Formats: sequence, C-alpha cells, structure tokens
Amino acid sequence: GESVGLHLPTLSVQEGDNSIINCAYSNSASDYFIWYKQESGKGPQFIIDIRSNMDKRQGQRVTVLLNKTVKHLSLQIAATQPGDSAVYFCAEPISWGKLQFGAGTQVVVTP
Amino acid sequence: EAQVTQNPRYLITVTGKKLTVTCSQNMNHEYMSWYRQDPGLGLRQIYYSMNVEVTDKGDVPEGYKVSRKEKRNFPLILESPSPNQTSLYFCASRAKETGVRSNQPQHFGDGTRLSIL
Repeated sequence: GESVGLHLPTLSVQEGDNSIINCAYSNSASDYFIWYKQESGKGPQFIIDIRSNMDKRQGQRVTVLLNKTVKHLSLQIAATQPGDSAVYFCAEPISWGKLQFGAGTQVVVTP
Repeated sequence: EAQVTQNPRYLITVTGKKLTVTCSQNMNHEYMSWYRQDPGLGLRQIYYSMNVEVTDKGDVPEGYKVSRKEKRNFPLILESPSPNQTSLYFCASRAKETGVRSNQPQHFGDGTRLSIL
C-alpha cells in the first residue's frame, strides 16, 4: 500500500480563514517530504518541502509541520484565498527516482 | 522561464495507432519522469530516467516505452495504445540528488490528456 496518505478528501474553507491539510506516512525512515498544489487543468506545482531534521518550515502564507513521533505532516495555509482552491498532495521520494504521492485533498474556498 | 513542456496537450486517437507524447525541460535537469493520473488512483509513475541513455520502469510501465537520447527530452511512446491508457499524463524533471532518496522537488509539466477510443 501507499506509504503516504491523506486524511480528508475534501476541505471546505471560508475565504480568509486558515486551512490545514493533513498527511500521514508509514515509514519512520522517511526523511524528505514535498507539498504540491494542482489547479484544474494544470500540473502539480511545488509549494514547499521539509527535511526530517526540521519540525517546521515556513513559506509565503504556508507552513509545513512535521511530527516524526506520530509520522504526520500538515500544510497550513494562512488567510485562504479563492486562488488557493486546488488539490493538494503530499509526496515522498521512496527510492531512486520514485516519488510516492498521496491521494490528494481538494480544497474549496467559499466566499 | 524554467519549465517542463509537454506536447500535445490533448489528443483523441484510436486503438492501435502509435503515438508519442513529447516532453522537454530547460533546466538542465538530469532526472526526468512520466506519471499518469487517474481518478481515485492518484499519480502513478510510468518510467523514469536518471540521465541520458539511463531509463527504468516505474509502477505502471506496461504498454509504454521511453527514450532519453538528449538530456532535455524524454518522450513517452505508446506503440499500440489501448482504451485503458486513456488518462492524464504528466512529465516531470528535477536536479540530481546525491543520495538514494531524492531531496530535490520535481517540477511538472501541465499535462497531456489522452483519450484512446
């Protein structure tokens, strides 16, 4: 089965609120994770990554948190905007050249 | 602008008619990969290439071929397409990593939607 998975298939968020997207992984040796955003009709777009020697990493309006104890990571989007509506994937490289994706969470931003 | 370019973006064709989807990247990346995306199955890797003339199978290679004669190009070939290859295809590239596990993000093209009738 997949080593990376998502808890919720759809997340509905009111504009201006914060979004939290969760992801679980099963391999305790995993040491690098990536979050992608995929808008309709486009390819996955790199958002932010985190290595296992970090617990938190911040970007522009996004923060990724890594909890190695429970093998969980999350993507937080501050002040969610309509342009944030997309499918979000967590992903993990699991061997030479192979990137394992979670199933994705659809974020829907409501006015 | 750094990008991964796929062509065509859309194609409707018939069973058995050979087709090629081209992929080109301008970032001088060593690593390139093809994925297909299907509802409920997410992104699955078809083939990947670590460098020129070095290719290997991903999770779902059956019915596909690839070649890597130049660093920038990584075409996906369907010799005899079948309806179960109807899907959304993505090409990706990334810079070389130094360890077994990559620590470089992959950059994706905007996809090619194939319909095989």
